[in-house]
Parts: sequence; C-alpha cells; structure tokens
Amino acid sequence: EPEVTQTPSHQVTQMGQEVILRCVPISNHLYFYWYRQILGQKVEFLVSFYNNEISEKSEIFDDQFSVERPDGSNFTLKIRSTKLEDSAMYFCASSGLIQETQYFGPGTRLLVL
Amino acid sequence: GENVEQHPSTLSVQEGDSAVIKCTYSDSASNYFPWYKQELGKGPQLIIDIRSNVGEKKDQRIAVTLNKTAKHFSLHITETQPEDSAVYFCAASSTDSSYKLIFGSGTRLLVRP
Repeated sequence: EPEVTQTPSHQVTQMGQEVILRCVPISNHLYFYWYRQILGQKVEFLVSFYNNEISEKSEIFDDQFSVERPDGSNFTLKIRSTKLEDSAMYFCASSGLIQETQYFGPGTRLLVL
Repeated sequence: GENVEQHPSTLSVQEGDSAVIKCTYSDSASNYFPWYKQELGKGPQLIIDIRSNVGEKKDQRIAVTLNKTAKHFSLHITETQPEDSAVYFCAASSTDSSYKLIFGSGTRLLVRP
C-alpha cells in the first residue's frame, strides 16, 4: 500500500540554524500539507500546497518557514533560522482526488537546542 | 476559526468492552470529520471518516456518528482488543479552508487484557 515517507526521522539542530525536512507524498497525490505537534499538544496545521503554490497557511507559518516541491516527488519544509519553540514533531500529509482525505507520514522529530 | 474539543483525554477499558470518544466543533461550515489513530512513534493513521450529509458510518468494529445540529461527532469502538490501544484524534475541516484539518487534543485509549 502506498504511503507517505519522511526524512530524517529525527533531527537535532542548534538555534539559528536552517533545517530542511523532507517528505515524499503518495505518488499520484495532488495536495500536500505540513502539520506540527509540540509535545503534549494538539496537531496544528502549518500550510497547504497545491499546483506549486501555497493554498493556505496558518499564523505559525511566518517568514522563517517555506515550502517547496523541487521535483516531481519531494515536498520540503524549510525553517530558515530555528528557534527553541520550533522543537516539535513535523508531519507531512498528502491527498489525491478526494482532497479532504489526508494521509500522514511518520513524522520528523525536530529538537532545537 | 474552527475549534475542536475532544473528551475524554484518557480512557481505560477492559478487553471486549466498548469505547466511546466524543468531539465537538464550533464552525458550522465544517463538513468533513476524520478520525486518526496514532501509535507510539508513528504518524496519524486514518481509520474512519464521515461527511456532513451522513449521520452514521460503520466499518467492522468502528463506527462514527455525527449530529450537525449539536455540532458533535463520536467514535465508537466495539469489542475492543489490546491492539486498539493508541491515541485517537478527531478532526474537522471544510471546503472553505482548503480542507486543512483542525484536530482535537487526542484521547489515549488503553485496552486492558
């Protein structure tokens, strides 16, 4: 069964450093999302992406964040200058023709020191 | 914006008993309500969903009910098994908002053998 994959599974970085989180959505999917989950809190929407542009972004998704689909398979989330409060689990999700049905990857645990 | 409340936060049941998890939402425009199961170290896995034109949906031991008037929906698991132990999240979304998912805070279900 096709699934969303994410790399790395864990990343530790120093405050102020740039990180890139990578996702490979399900191959025929059209809609792509990033969510994050701070330890002990709700899963929160960050951004949705369709047709090579951002469809919607949350207040969390400020100028330090960017997304890209550099080729036909990868979908990346970049945090330009990480802060301590960026420490969280980041989930990528994708959906196909039934846009609302989103499938999640296993997540990347980001720790900012 | 949409807000989703979920109860209880933890639920412990004996194997074979039923488990019920309840969620309420605030935005009457929400029309899609998925439930996700998250096992330790994994991403959320879609287990069942319901759309606003349906009041109930069942898939083997899992059922979801929706009351649009009261703005609440529930997950019912019958004949629980130890492998049902996980964190369960409800979510709501709408066509008005690129189907971004607004999650509840999660319910940790423990099924005692």
